[in-house]
Amino acid sequence: QSVVTQPPSASGTPGQRVTISCSGTSSNVGRNNVYWYQQLPRTAPKLLIYSNNQRPSGVPDRFSGSKSGTSASLAISGLRSEDEADYYCVAWDDSLSGLVFGAGTRVTVL
Amino acid sequence: EVQLVESGGGLVQPGGSLKLSCAASGFTFSGSPIHWVRQTSGKGLEWVGRIRTRANYYATTYAASERGRFTISRDDSKNMAYLQMNSLKTEDTAVYYCILSSITPFSFDIWGQGTMVTVSS
Repeated sequence: QSVVTQPPSASGTPGQRVTISCSGTSSNVGRNNVYWYQQLPRTAPKLLIYSNNQRPSGVPDRFSGSKSGTSASLAISGLRSEDEADYYCVAWDDSLSGLVFGAGTRVTVL
Repeated sequence: EVQLVESGGGLVQPGGSLKLSCAASGFTFSGSPIHWVRQTSGKGLEWVGRIRTRANYYATTYAASERGRFTISRDDSKNMAYLQMNSLKTEDTAVYYCILSSITPFSFDIWGQGTMVTVSS
């Protein structure tokens, strides 16, 4: 069982906005930066968001991150079929002295 | 082009050892922390550990489940990183990725293609 919790699935129709939550504790999400990754089928994950809400160059602004207290969120606006993927949140955990991944959320475009 | 290429995966018996290699090109390898992350079949991602740069004394940190069994090292002169895995268990079966962090110490910016490790008798 993951230290940080994500919903197993989320879905939306093209053009809709989908939000994925990442719930942690004061030793991880509440105290440290959160990162988000997208994994398309049969590919290595890709960095989407770093330091809670920053996008690396090349990541569309349809993807946005936020954090409040011990929870973080990834929002995908203007959902597209190519956004069908698994999404993972990650944060450093001070108690475990290690990085912890959420179990991932599978986004389906209906 | 920034690239990481892992090698060394394969089939190993429980209790055995394996050393994975990660060849880097297209960037200043010596200036970047390197992480290892694994992914089990049909499951999620798990951080294995990291090695920092010479400026940070090549300090290593490991996930709790790997401490004492896994060792990460690097050879900046060869642009190579390594993951030595000992006392392997069936639950170590996974695809292992080496990863470059260049934006922040924990941003997994560039991923290799992964190498499969199967621990089975």
